Amino acid sequence: DAGVTQSPTHLIKTRGQHVTLRCSPISGHKSVSWYQQVLGQGPQFIFQYYEKEERGRGNFPDRFSARQFPNYSSELNVNALLLGDSALYLCASSRRQITGELFFGEGSRLTVL
Amino acid sequence: AQRVTQPEKLLSVFKGAPVELKCNYSYSGSPELFWYVQYSRQRLQLLLRHISRESIKGFTADLNKGETSFHLKKPFAQEEDSAMYYCALSGNSGNTPLVFGKGTRLSVIA
Repeated sequence: DAGVTQSPTHLIKTRGQHVTLRCSPISGHKSVSWYQQVLGQGPQFIFQYYEKEERGRGNFPDRFSARQFPNYSSELNVNALLLGDSALYLCASSRRQITGELFFGEGSRLTVL
Repeated sequence: AQRVTQPEKLLSVFKGAPVELKCNYSYSGSPELFWYVQYSRQRLQLLLRHISRESIKGFTADLNKGETSFHLKKPFAQEEDSAMYYCALSGNSGNTPLVFGKGTRLSVIA
């Protein structure tokens, strides 16, 4: 029984570049949320998608965008990378839109040089 | 706005000692509170939620609306409890995502 899967697991980019992170939710889960976790901090909410529509957005600049596909997988895109974007990006899925019970992936570790 | 505060970054206790991980929250509506745990080299996972009122791995947590707290407790700590613990809050409307505290690292010393 596969859990939430994320790719890539690690990546290194330079300032100004663009990155795409991918997430496959648990089968049957229609909601995907993205979180950013900086070292020493708790996960910070970026986006939630439910049934392919954006349902929530955290306090992140427009350089951050996301989408959800018909199979409920999701992509997080970050443009014009800054050093401060270096973090662990977590994807979480859930059955319902409004729930605190999230199932997390292992994350994508992004390093911006 | 939702806010979750975990005042302790690190909590060290001896095996067999009681554990209390503190969590305070701020939310104007009716919150749902959760504890998530991350063991070494594992993904973040739900430990327990206040609605279910259950004990998981010997841990319990009671929502105290008067003190706006949701402290996590265990009477006798085990070495395998060593992990990172996050308190989280969710509102009951569609625009309130799950908000996490900064986390407390629990270290159980043998």
